[in-house]
Amino acid sequence: SQTIHQWPATLVQPVGSPLSLECTVEGTSNPNLYWYRQAAGRGLQLLFYSVGIGQISSEVPQNLSASRPQDRQFILSSKKLLLSDSGFYLCAWGRDYGYTFGSGTRLTVV
Amino acid sequence: AQTVTQSQPEMSVQEAETVTLSCTYDTSENNYYLFWYKQPPSRQMILVIRQEAYKQQNATENRFSVNFQKAAKSFSLKISDSQLGDTAMYFCASPSGTYKYIFGTGTRLKVLA
Repeated sequence: SQTIHQWPATLVQPVGSPLSLECTVEGTSNPNLYWYRQAAGRGLQLLFYSVGIGQISSEVPQNLSASRPQDRQFILSSKKLLLSDSGFYLCAWGRDYGYTFGSGTRLTVV
Repeated sequence: AQTVTQSQPEMSVQEAETVTLSCTYDTSENNYYLFWYKQPPSRQMILVIRQEAYKQQNATENRFSVNFQKAAKSFSLKISDSQLGDTAMYFCASPSGTYKYIFGTGTRLKVLA
């Protein structure tokens, strides 16, 4: 069966510090991978998606970036965090018939 | 722009009663799926039900069913025999181009004992 792992679960980082969130998928090959952000009490905003190794599509211009160094690994990064980067970050993999989400990372930038 | 609208920010329902959550969408895709996801307080996103747009028959999954009106681009979720464990945020999702989906702003449902 397919599983998705996302870590860390919570993170408190100072403004200006770097960020690295990691997501890995097991039990499937060549998955479509996604990073979403959810602000408090809000819907999900698509940040990045990837349909193959090294292929990244950006939906929202900002100081975040994504990479896919391996088929089933998706990384969200930032060189310098802003206060506005605080939120709940969700990784997902999926096909046309639906997504499976990771358990999320709660990021607080202080 | 392709959009998903959930016009009910919050709803409540008595335990064992039935509730309907509304969703309208706008997509230029021809063959697509629509989804309802549940996000309980744990914040884990859980797929509740999906509808294939080329199927006229409304999808059902145990106590959950949809009312899909393709021409009106409406996709509502009906929860029958509501249970306390149904308390959660519910998100509707629609395709936004190839490979990706956009989500509505959610409806917070509270089931009352």
